[in-house]
Amino acid sequence: SQKIEQNSEALNIQEGKTATLTCNYTNYSPAYLQWYRQDPGRGPVFLLLIRENEKEKRKERLKVTFDTTLKQSLFHITASQPADSATYLCAPGDSGNTPLVFGKGTRLSVIA
Amino acid sequence: GAVVSQHPSRVICKSGTSVKIECRSLDFQATTMFWYRQFPKQSLMLMATSNEGSKATYEQGVEKDKFLINHASLTLSTLTVTSAHPEDSSFYICSAGKGATNEKLFFGSGTQLSVL
Repeated sequence: SQKIEQNSEALNIQEGKTATLTCNYTNYSPAYLQWYRQDPGRGPVFLLLIRENEKEKRKERLKVTFDTTLKQSLFHITASQPADSATYLCAPGDSGNTPLVFGKGTRLSVIA
Repeated sequence: GAVVSQHPSRVICKSGTSVKIECRSLDFQATTMFWYRQFPKQSLMLMATSNEGSKATYEQGVEKDKFLINHASLTLSTLTVTSAHPEDSSFYICSAGKGATNEKLFFGSGTQLSVL
């Protein structure tokens, strides 16, 4: 069965540093991978989508990589700020209508 | 961007009562909506896929008679938790996509259900 693993449950970093979150998947060949941000008591918010033929995607301070050989995606936040503190979820997806399955998420805390 | 509105945001009810949660796509039509449940510090667990004009598709282990889903229009899906019990207490979230795929889902703000 499909399995999605996000490297750690919690990650603490100092303000200004780069946060790197990992998403590994097995028994799956996704056409794309999505990253979402979730704040406590709120629904997730879409951040980035990267397709299988893309190596890297950027949006402001965010960068996502996708390695289909390693079956891994890395999510980077550069120049992190306390406002970046949240849980980040990854979700591999296919080109059809198969519902998204989410990883457990990594809870990021950026300390001032 | 697209907006998905979910109501109510919080509900407390007595055991045995039924609770209805509404999910609306405000500025786009959603043929398909998804209902998730999330326990504290856990991942989103897909409960069912709601299809406009047809029966919902439930995930394995989710009781369709307990979690009634109705998707009567392209902008509204409802989830009714029937005869709620304390173990049904959870955070329920709906989502919808603008296109035919699941790319860039838009989520509601969630409903925290507490059953006493």
